Amino acid sequence: DVKVTQSSRYLVKRTGEKVFLECVQDMDHENMFWYRQDPGLGLRLIYFSYDVKMKEKGDIPEGYSVSREKKERFSLILESASTNQTSMYLCASSSRTSGANVLTFGAGSRLTVL
Amino acid sequence: GQQVMQIPQYQHVQEGEDFTTYCNSSTTLSNIQWYKQRPGGHPVFLIQLVKSGEVKKQKRLTFQFGEAKKNSSLHITATQTTDVGTYFCAGPFSGTYKYIFGTGTRLKVLA
Repeated sequence: DVKVTQSSRYLVKRTGEKVFLECVQDMDHENMFWYRQDPGLGLRLIYFSYDVKMKEKGDIPEGYSVSREKKERFSLILESASTNQTSMYLCASSSRTSGANVLTFGAGSRLTVL
Repeated sequence: GQQVMQIPQYQHVQEGEDFTTYCNSSTTLSNIQWYKQRPGGHPVFLIQLVKSGEVKKQKRLTFQFGEAKKNSSLHITATQTTDVGTYFCAGPFSGTYKYIFGTGTRLKVLA
């Protein structure tokens, strides 16, 4: 079964802390994405990656960075967490070669910044 | 920038009633996808529509892609409690593999 695994389901951090959210997929997908989900705002794209070491900004990249050193792993980094980054973070991956580009999501990481 | 809007934001229906959610894009889309997110879960792919005017059915769910490829709808006939969740449409940004999601429609079904 196809899987996208996010390292932490729930995190509580303090303002100013550095936060790492890890995502691993076992489907050999080229594309990986980080979205955040907030009530009434749907899913907003933070960053995505087409390939190893490649990254592109989404719609709301401010305050975030990403790392993709290996094909299966895509990390989201909050350099200095702030309370307005309290949210549900969803990682997804998709295959370019399959044609349909269907997104497979992880279970999500709910981050609370105090 | 490209935007994808969905209406309504919320819908409460009695079990057995029909339900429709509408998705509108500010630009023409090469295709559109629909996802369902159960309460406490993550979005799961339902279907993709590619052709202008395309209609696809999955049991009680009917998906439609507009003639101008700027809007889409999802219609559920005779809702059941298992239909509860948030339904999202998503379209590719400017022909890329970057998908922009709609704001979602949260469906509650009252037994």
